[in-house]
Amino acid sequence: GAVVSQHPSWVICKSGTSVKIECRSLDFQATTMFWYRQFPKQSLMLMATSNEGSKATYEQGVEKDKFLINHASLTLSTLTVTSAHPEDSSFYICSARYGLAAVQETQYFGPGTRLLVL
Amino acid sequence: GQNIDQPTEMTATEGAIVQINCTYQTSGFNGLFWYQQHAGEAPTFLSYNVLDGLEEKGRFSSFLSRSKGYSYLLLKELQMKDSASYLCAVETFSGGYNKLIFGAGTRLAVHP
Repeated sequence: GAVVSQHPSWVICKSGTSVKIECRSLDFQATTMFWYRQFPKQSLMLMATSNEGSKATYEQGVEKDKFLINHASLTLSTLTVTSAHPEDSSFYICSARYGLAAVQETQYFGPGTRLLVL
Repeated sequence: GQNIDQPTEMTATEGAIVQINCTYQTSGFNGLFWYQQHAGEAPTFLSYNVLDGLEEKGRFSSFLSRSKGYSYLLLKELQMKDSASYLCAVETFSGGYNKLIFGAGTRLAVHP
């Protein structure tokens, strides 16, 4: 199957700093990339959807000025958590898909980035 | 609104069969996915149903009834490595995109 990578896999930072997470599709061009957040023992919550070269679409309740998403190319999307606070500590997972139709295994997930804000 | 329900936790014995149920009420339906997620890892795809009926894939099968808003994942010949969370997700079309709405997940513990 297709491969999606994330970098870094672990981040520990001080409160108030900004953290950038990269998501790359390694062997295919992703028409759409998704960013999810998962708190312990909870399910994945979609934060935003982005297409290459256009502004991201944020889910209700997600602050777009705090979670900056840049989808600069068909293989790279970045999520920047600005002025991170301890409540932003979570597991951030990206996924990428190609094609527009709902076909089997449309989304390929990255390995996730664990963020801890002290 | 969007609502996907599945049991929080289940336990089963190695070698046995377990059925994980999922009910959903969503605005739009493009298909239902099941994912497996081990602790601290990303979800991995297990199955996809868009038509009513049973899809079988080795030890895993998934069933869908669109009229009832119901699906189940059936795991046979359970192995210890099957201990994980199982996520039910519905794909809907919203805001110009196909997107997945996830249930809270079912944590399955397999005992010897």
